[in-house]
Amino acid sequence: ETGVTQTPRHLVMGMTNKKSLKCEQHLGHNAMYWYKQSAKKPLELMFVYSLEERVENNSVPSRFSPECPNSSHLFLHLHTLQPEDSALYLCASSPGLVQETQYFGPGTRLLVL
Amino acid sequence: GESVGLHLPTLSVQEGDNSIINCAYSNSASDYFIWYKQESGKGPQFIIDIRSNMDKRQGQRVTVLLNKTVKHLSLQIAATQPGDSAVYFCAATGGNSGGSNYKLTFGKGTLLTVNP
Repeated sequence: ETGVTQTPRHLVMGMTNKKSLKCEQHLGHNAMYWYKQSAKKPLELMFVYSLEERVENNSVPSRFSPECPNSSHLFLHLHTLQPEDSALYLCASSPGLVQETQYFGPGTRLLVL
Repeated sequence: GESVGLHLPTLSVQEGDNSIINCAYSNSASDYFIWYKQESGKGPQFIIDIRSNMDKRQGQRVTVLLNKTVKHLSLQIAATQPGDSAVYFCAATGGNSGGSNYKLTFGKGTLLTVNP
């Protein structure tokens, strides 16, 4: 186990639903990340938080809304998603931002119907 | 911006052989590199890292080699075991402009299959 947990592990939702993904890290890290992993594509960085402040929004559509209430928790709120948003969503954390190893959770497998 | 690519999308080896997975990066200012292993149904798992002031770093059964001249790094796995079967990613960071020096750029991954 990496010390980063994600729930749910699997999620099926319709395009009109609203759902949230949760990430929790037990490593005392200060930075947290959301990535999208699609088949046959490199990991795509979505959002970065450092000390609960968002430092990166990598041109992500507004139907994805992150929230970082404290340095241990990170959420990704989903609404009116599209089928092409189906992917594995990975959360990661690192001690700081620069030249730090990122530790990943197991991911949430999302299917949008 | 940075791009990172692996030379082969798949690699098949016999159990007990040594495996070598290669990766190339484009940004000569990149200064930190990581190898990850991702098994089916799991998130990427850290294997080993190397900073640009080093050419080689060894871990348990794994060695990473960095050639900054040709912007190439490799992951060597000694005595490959069935449990090593997974997708392996290299990632690079550093040298980014605009203060985003923390961004990791990932390659697509090499699927390593170990035959018993």
